[in-house]
Amino acid sequence: DQQVKQNSPSLSVQEGRISILNCDYTNSMFDYFLWYKKYPAEGPTFLISISSIKDKNEDGRFTVFLNKSAKHLSLHIVPSQPGDSAVYFCAASASTDKLIFGTGTRLQVFP
Amino acid sequence: NAGVTQTPKFQVLKTGQSMTLQCAQDMNHEYMSWYRQDPGMGLRLIHYSVGAGITDQGEVPNGYNVSRSTTEDFPLRLLSAAPSQTSVYFCASRGGGEAGNTIYFGEGSWLTVV
Repeated sequence: DQQVKQNSPSLSVQEGRISILNCDYTNSMFDYFLWYKKYPAEGPTFLISISSIKDKNEDGRFTVFLNKSAKHLSLHIVPSQPGDSAVYFCAASASTDKLIFGTGTRLQVFP
Repeated sequence: NAGVTQTPKFQVLKTGQSMTLQCAQDMNHEYMSWYRQDPGMGLRLIHYSVGAGITDQGEVPNGYNVSRSTTEDFPLRLLSAAPSQTSVYFCASRGGGEAGNTIYFGEGSWLTVV
């Protein structure tokens, strides 16, 4: 049973436009959410996170939104840049040390 | 800074062989974990450890063993390799602070079982 789902395997966006990556979860005990970015042949790197007590967290071009009632979070990248092209994973934790990851969305930003 | 170091980076095994993927971290992190990444499946947790002497199963533990005799090392053992274990394996460690925001991943180990 996939507790964290990213239903869009890929997304293509023009440079300068907004990229919106979505993530849904089923476990209502999750209270901390994160986004990781992964380039080919490298390990995932932490991008941004949000606690369940908040509904928005912003860091530069990256903003994460959390809708607890819908069990949905999204990552907005504005403006998108070619260097943002990577696979993005959302992950969730339920106050334990385990991080559960989604299946990933491959973002391609074209000129 | 070494961070999280995984070895080997690439390995080809025959079905039935055993091997150990090594993972070491030099950040004195208590929490360490192993994930595998497969197409369309994302990163799935195999085993994790919250400290020396303590290990627990993740989402897909079958066919793998782990041990945590020291804080620094967290090896992953494949007891009898199967083609279904062909994957990319990532070791990760986490220090203190809020859950996950200081988790560090190794560069990955590419394993092929033929």
